[in-house]
Amino acid sequence: DAEITQSPRHKITETGRQVTLACHQTWNHNNMFWYRQDLGHGLRLIHYSYGVQDTNKGEVSDGYSVSRSNTEDLPLTLESAASSQTSVYFCASSGGGTGGIPYEQYFGPGTRLTVT
Amino acid sequence: GENVEQHPSTLSVQEGDSAVIKCTYSDSASNYFPWYKQELGKRPQLIIDIRSNVGEKKDQRIAVTLNKTAKHFSLHITETQPEDSAVYFCAASRPIRDDKIIFGKGTRLHILP
Repeated sequence: DAEITQSPRHKITETGRQVTLACHQTWNHNNMFWYRQDLGHGLRLIHYSYGVQDTNKGEVSDGYSVSRSNTEDLPLTLESAASSQTSVYFCASSGGGTGGIPYEQYFGPGTRLTVT
Repeated sequence: GENVEQHPSTLSVQEGDSAVIKCTYSDSASNYFPWYKQELGKRPQLIIDIRSNVGEKKDQRIAVTLNKTAKHFSLHITETQPEDSAVYFCAASRPIRDDKIIFGKGTRLHILP
């Protein structure tokens, strides 16, 4: 069955280190998204991509970067981890849409990142 | 950009009663309004969605209404059950090719025995 996976599921890192979170989907979806989830803030969009070589900034993109070299993967990199980036990170994908209406987004299981 | 407000942040209802969660959005170009349910420690999952050309949609005990003029939409859960306890997120999205979804901050629903 097609699915979306994230790795690692849990990560502890130190302030200042570079960290990469992986996201892999087997639906062949063009659109992929990264969110962070914090208490009181819901789900906030970090970066998103509509296809290979396409990346866009979301509402909380500072300190994060993404690259899209193939359809299946959208890794999220924290260039220099900060304690404020301790959060749960969700990756999602969608297949575009039809008639001007987007299709639903499917979420991965999440990565819990702690920056000490 | 789009802004989605969701109320209340916490809601407690007796088992068997109805629950209503309300959301407003700011971008009149938004045309897709999904609702996600997130159980503790799990990923958000779509439970129902509504397109801008529809005013109401029902799926068993869940219904969503949309008022495009007022830019608000609501989730209604009838005959609530213990398994309905979760966090619910509303969201709004513009047309395809700009379909990033903007989420509300969530409503924690408690079903009381």
